[in-house]
Amino acid sequence: DQQVKQNSPSLSVQEGRISILNCDYTNSMFDYFLWYKKYPAEGPTFLISISSIKDKNEDGRFTVFLNKSAKHLSLHIVPSQPGDSAVYFCAASGTSYGKLTFGQGTILTVHP
Amino acid sequence: GAGVSQSPSNKVTEKGKDVELRCDPISGHTALYWYRQSLGQGLEFLIYFQGNSAPDKSGLPSDRFSAERTGGSVSTLTIQRTQQEDSAVYLCASSLGRGRNEQYFGPGTRLTVT
Repeated sequence: DQQVKQNSPSLSVQEGRISILNCDYTNSMFDYFLWYKKYPAEGPTFLISISSIKDKNEDGRFTVFLNKSAKHLSLHIVPSQPGDSAVYFCAASGTSYGKLTFGQGTILTVHP
Repeated sequence: GAGVSQSPSNKVTEKGKDVELRCDPISGHTALYWYRQSLGQGLEFLIYFQGNSAPDKSGLPSDRFSAERTGGSVSTLTIQRTQQEDSAVYLCASSLGRGRNEQYFGPGTRLTVT
């Protein structure tokens, strides 16, 4: 039973355009959500997080949107850069601490 | 500043042998986590330490797996009698603890059981 799902295994975007990565969850107890970026042979790098009391959080080129009623979150990257090419994972937890449940990841490729 | 460090970076072992993986968390982080990523899979939670509280061991796949955290800092994950299905990248993460769940990951230990 996969509680966090990233249904797109891959996404290809042109440099300068917007990248939109999507994530759905099934567990209504989740109330804290995070996005991570991962390069090959490295550990995941924290990008941005959002608490369930918000519907949007922005940090530079990265914005996370949360739709609790739809149990859906998305990560927007604007403008996309070739260095953004990596695997992106969404993760969720039931509290502001404790274990994270990860999605399967989406491979983002940004073409120059 | 120093991030999470893990050692060794790679470990090849024979089936049936025991292995120990080490994690040094970020200084001042009270919470420490172990995850693993098998080939083609997402990250799977193993165990979580928070301060002096009893660890959450709910993700450990079998009793061959154990972990300890000494002095509230360094942690060791031990796998006894390794099996081929234990082959994975083992990732350690730390966070400030309750109220802030941004977890910062180390580079991982790639374990190969032959």
